Amino acid sequence: AQSVTQLGSHVSVSEGALVLLRCNYSSSVPPYLFWYVQYPNQGLQLLLKYTTGATLVKGINGFEAEFKKSETSFHLTKPSAHMSDAAEYFCAVSESGGSYIPTFGRGTSLIVHP
Amino acid sequence: DTAVSQTPKYLVTQMGNDKSIKCEQNLGHDTMYWYKQDSKKFLKIMFSYNNKELIINETVPNRFSPKSPDKAHLNLHINSLELGDSAVYFCASSLDVENTEAFFGQGTRLTVV
Repeated sequence: AQSVTQLGSHVSVSEGALVLLRCNYSSSVPPYLFWYVQYPNQGLQLLLKYTTGATLVKGINGFEAEFKKSETSFHLTKPSAHMSDAAEYFCAVSESGGSYIPTFGRGTSLIVHP
Repeated sequence: DTAVSQTPKYLVTQMGNDKSIKCEQNLGHDTMYWYKQDSKKFLKIMFSYNNKELIINETVPNRFSPKSPDKAHLNLHINSLELGDSAVYFCASSLDVENTEAFFGQGTRLTVV
């Protein structure tokens, strides 16, 4: 069975600082991994995804994530936080050829201080 | 054009009532989902349909009944609403069961009073 753990329900950074949101997954088969962002009162929007190939994936708004199989991790980073990055971030996993329904982590709220 | 649209956006109703939420996608996707997001933002899969056929039915009370008249629509009907049903319900779609990048609607905030 697949599962996702996001460490830290809240992450607080200063504007201009590095953003690091952690995601660890469990999957019995090669995973597909996703990061989504949710702004207040809106639906989820895809930031980036990993399916196969290059393990460092770049997404929208300057975010990127690296798939590390040995660590079962898919952490999200951005070199310099902007006030507009304040939102809820969700990591999700689905299993290629397995339980393909995306399973979401509990989310991390990113707070950006001026 | 909105890719995945849900109606209504807000729904306030009394306990015991029956209500429906509609969802339509214009992306040509084969697979659609209903997720429930609770007050702590946790997203839980409720149902998944592929080409109008139910493929996933998680542990959801029988009071919840999805209906897919065609592959572009997945509606959710809820009978005998309870206080605990208050949540945000999201419809989503993906290309097919293998390509699971999900496109989400704006959500329906259901409040049962």
